[in-house]
Amino acid sequence: QVQLVQSGAEVKKPGASVKVSCKASGYTFTSYGISWVRQAPGQGLEWMGWISAYNGNTNYAQKLQGRVTMTTDTSTSTAYMELRSLRSDDTAVYYCARQKLEYHPLDYWGQGTLVTVSS
Amino acid sequence: QSVLTQPPSVSAAPGQKVTISCSGSSSNIGNNYVSWYQQLPGTAPKLLIYENNKRPSGIPDRFSGSKSGTSATLGITGLQTGDEADYYCGTWDSSLSAGGVFGGGTKLTVL
Repeated sequence: QVQLVQSGAEVKKPGASVKVSCKASGYTFTSYGISWVRQAPGQGLEWMGWISAYNGNTNYAQKLQGRVTMTTDTSTSTAYMELRSLRSDDTAVYYCARQKLEYHPLDYWGQGTLVTVSS
Repeated sequence: QSVLTQPPSVSAAPGQKVTISCSGSSSNIGNNYVSWYQQLPGTAPKLLIYENNKRPSGIPDRFSGSKSGTSATLGITGLQTGDEADYYCGTWDSSLSAGGVFGGGTKLTVL
């Protein structure tokens, strides 16, 4: 069965960076991409970007360009999302989700990783 | 402010039917497939409907989707208390800043 298992909760200070991992199993990792979606407390879903696990191509949300980097490690079927220069409004639950191509549905989701940015 | 517009909340009694609307534009809903996601309290979202009206394996036929022009609708019949959740529509936006977009979410209360 398809599973996406994310790394644990993080607490960071403003200005720091965070790197969240998402380990995939139950399917051929390189046949799909991974999108990252975040959800601030009590708020809706926000798409952050997509990475192809086949060739590493990325497409980032315009508002996060320059602060976010998505990568994959095909040897361990793991996707990573790094967000830099953290601000308090980056406090959110971060989800990874499997997505064949950028415009396809997000068909399996990780359990989420809470990132808290606080001084 | 979300790119796609959903009502903040809807409610209905058990056994009844409810619909949730999702309004967009020609750059998103008008030219791309719509998906719907269910988020039960404290859990990750789950795919409910894809390609406007298709259900993934395991999703009961009480859930249905439709699209017309730049709007989409999720329908739920035979409401159960376990359907209480937040529902989000999502699609691709093909404008200059191309990317995924979501509605603001609709909280369903089963009275």
